[in-house]
Amino acid sequence: DVKVTQSSRYLVKRTGEKVFLECVQDMDHENMFWYRQDPGLGLRLIYFSYDVKMKEKGDIPEGYSVSREKKERFSLILESASTNQTSMYLCASSQWTGWESEQFFGPGTRLTVL
Amino acid sequence: QKEVEQNSGPLSVPEGAIASLNCTYSDRGSQSFFWYRQYSGKSPELIMFIYSNGDKEDGRFTAQLNKASQYVSLLIRDSQPSDSATYLCAVNTGNQFYFGTGTSLTVIP
Repeated sequence: DVKVTQSSRYLVKRTGEKVFLECVQDMDHENMFWYRQDPGLGLRLIYFSYDVKMKEKGDIPEGYSVSREKKERFSLILESASTNQTSMYLCASSQWTGWESEQFFGPGTRLTVL
Repeated sequence: QKEVEQNSGPLSVPEGAIASLNCTYSDRGSQSFFWYRQYSGKSPELIMFIYSNGDKEDGRFTAQLNKASQYVSLLIRDSQPSDSATYLCAVNTGNQFYFGTGTSLTVIP
């Protein structure tokens, strides 16, 4: 079974702090994704990566950055956390086979910024 | 126009009934279609995917795809209270994944 893990289930941070969210997948997947999910807005793509050291902006990259130094690990960084970044953050991975590819999600990190 | 549209619901059905969830998409080049189930406070889990026009059945679940109408649906037969969740429709265009905002389903015992 594909397993995607995230470093924390719940996280509380203060405005202005630098926040790191870690995601690890154990299926040698090429692609990894970071989403945030808010009520009424659905899943919104923040960043994604198709390869090590490669990253692409999604729909809402502002205020975030990412790092992918190893194939299995994809980190989301909030450089200076703000209250509007309070959300559920979901990491996903997929083995890119073009249109047949499906995404597998981690358990999510609920981040609260005070 | 959003890439993937779903009726947000909530949709309520009695236990044992058929629940019908619908999704439309805008990119005619979309090749594959997925249904995810998401329980409250949990992450989405894949329950079905479909690539070809027509029906695909898996236990109590049936996915239906009509590419000409750009429409995909999920039928849940013999609905159970444990099916109460939000159902996300997702579309893979070959270049990117797009998710709908989800339909909330409640199965009433």
